[in-house]
Parts: sequence; C-alpha cells; structure tokens
Amino acid sequence: AQSVTQLGSHVSVSEGALVLLRCNYSSSVPPYLFWYVQYPNQGLQLLLKYTTGATLVKGINGFEAEFKKSETSFHLTKPSAHMSDAAEYFCAVSNSGYALNFGKGTSLLVTP
Amino acid sequence: ETGVTQTPRHLVMGMTNKKSLKCEQHLGHNAMYWYKQSAKKPLELMFVYSLEERVENNSVPSRFSPECPNSSHLFLHLHTLQPEDSALYLCASSQGPGTSGAGTDTQYFGPGTRLTVL
Repeated sequence: AQSVTQLGSHVSVSEGALVLLRCNYSSSVPPYLFWYVQYPNQGLQLLLKYTTGATLVKGINGFEAEFKKSETSFHLTKPSAHMSDAAEYFCAVSNSGYALNFGKGTSLLVTP
Repeated sequence: ETGVTQTPRHLVMGMTNKKSLKCEQHLGHNAMYWYKQSAKKPLELMFVYSLEERVENNSVPSRFSPECPNSSHLFLHLHTLQPEDSALYLCASSQGPGTSGAGTDTQYFGPGTRLTVL
C-alpha cells in the first residue's frame, strides 16, 4: 500500500520568500506522485505530477518538485511566494490503479 | 459550462432524509470519482467508475449509494446519514482507462458539495 506524509500542517512565509512544502511517500512499487492545490471554496487543482523520466518536475504558477528516490521525497518549492499562493496543498501517490492516496494537506499562509 | 460541476453546493439534511448529490463533467472523460473531505483527515476515496462500471468501492457504508448512468454524470444518493457524515464531498473525473495507465491520470475536481447532517 502507498501513503504520503506531509510534514507541517501549517506553513507561514513572507511574500517574496522561498516556499518549501514537504512530502515523503511510502510505496512498494515505483510511485506516481502528485501535488494538488485547493483554494477556499474550490475543488482541487493539479499543480504538477511525476510519472517517469526527469526527476525535477515543473508545474503551474512557478511551482516545481523534485522526486528523490533515495530520500522517498517529493517536496514542493517555489522561489518567491505571492499572496495568491495562500491555499491548502496536498501531496498524493498512486501506482497503476485508480486510487490516489492523499496526505493530510499543508495550509500555506503568505504574509505581507 | 466547462470542467466538473457539482450540485448543490451546500446541503443540510436530517438523519431521516433522502437526498442526492449530482456531478457532471464536460471533459469527455471516462472515469469518475467520489471523495469525502473531512476536517483534519486526508481525502478519502469512496467510489470509482470507469466506463460506467464501478471499479472501486472503499468499504463505504451502504447509506451512500452511487449511480453512474453515463460517462458524463455521477450521482451519490444519501439516506439515513449520521452527523459524522458531515463533510465536503468532491467529485472528480479523469481520462482513464488508457494505455498510459490509470495511475498517471490527472484527476479534475469539482468545487464540492458541503454537506451538513443534523
């Protein structure tokens, strides 16, 4: 069975600062990894995903994540936070089936 | 309309009521999903339909009954719910099945129905 752990249920950064949201996964087979974002009163939106190939994945809104097999990690980063990045972020893992296993989420607060 | 739509957006019901949640996707996808999002818990996958056949049912109580009449529509019928069923219910769709494997599919989510059971 696969699972993900998101370290830190709340992260606060200043506008313009680096954003780092942590995700570690557990999987007995090569995983497919996803980051989704949820803005208030909205559904989830895909930021980026890793399936195979290049381990550094670039997504929308300036976000990127790096798959590190040796560390079983898939941390999400953005060089410079904007106020509009404030949202809930979810890491998820799947294998070849339909099920996406989500982490508990990290709430990102961006302060002026 | 585009994407995935859900109605109603908010629903309050008593424990003896019967109600239905509706989801419609306008993306031409073949797979649809119901998730439950509760406070401080990970999203829980409830049901998956692929080509209108149920392919996953994650030990969901029988008071939740899904229906997928065609690849564009998905319903969740609710009856005799409990207060702990209060949550945000999210619908999603994805391209699957396909040669790339369902696990790589991007799931597109609707805005959800906020359900309160009194």
